[in-house]
Amino acid sequence: QAVLTQPASLSASPGASASLTCTLRSGINVGSYRIYWYQQKPGSPPQYLLRYKSDSDKQQGSGVPSRFSGSKDASANAGILLISGLQSEDEADYYCMIWHSSAWVFGGGTKLTVL
Amino acid sequence: QVQLQESGPGLVKPSQTLSLTCTVSGGSISSGTYYWSWIRQPAGKGLEWIGRIYTSGSTNYNPSLKSRVTISVDTSKNQFSLKLSSVTAADTAVYYCATQDDYFDYWGQGTLVTVSS
Repeated sequence: QAVLTQPASLSASPGASASLTCTLRSGINVGSYRIYWYQQKPGSPPQYLLRYKSDSDKQQGSGVPSRFSGSKDASANAGILLISGLQSEDEADYYCMIWHSSAWVFGGGTKLTVL
Repeated sequence: QVQLQESGPGLVKPSQTLSLTCTVSGGSISSGTYYWSWIRQPAGKGLEWIGRIYTSGSTNYNPSLKSRVTISVDTSKNQFSLKLSSVTAADTAVYYCATQDDYFDYWGQGTLVTVSS
């Protein structure tokens, strides 16, 4: 089982909100981790969005709009990237990442379609 | 602003060693508290962290690749390098170099390496 699992795809309408999940493998407690989120558009390297561990330990990337936010669902053992007020430019691949067992681990990514 | 540029052969034969270099400009590779990483992405697939080197020379590697990976730094040239041995078609990917303090903030544009005879 992968360390981080993300849904392969998600669709949402312009103006709506999208909740992208990053589920940690059983036995790995989401509460212990900073979860980093990146956005990648075709032909470009990923760009850092934000990291979230708790409301007192979070950081927004430089220039990243406040409509991108992070949270956690402890009951689901998952990190969440919430994008509100979806715009066409938000259509991209989104990756979560954690530092686990002395290595950076990426989720498989979610392709967000805005239509 | 720091800029990174990957360079190296775009085609490598199976069983040979893949060698790439990342040239850093706009800042010194030996200053600050940065880690210097390699990350790869097969076409149409997700990101995979390969490993990193600190300014002190200490390294961390992805356990799944550790036996085949060496990352080194040349401070005189402001470069760091990746060597991946015994490559197969599964190593075909876009290879990125990136720098990290807390998060990966600066990335190269990536270079495609194809493993084929």
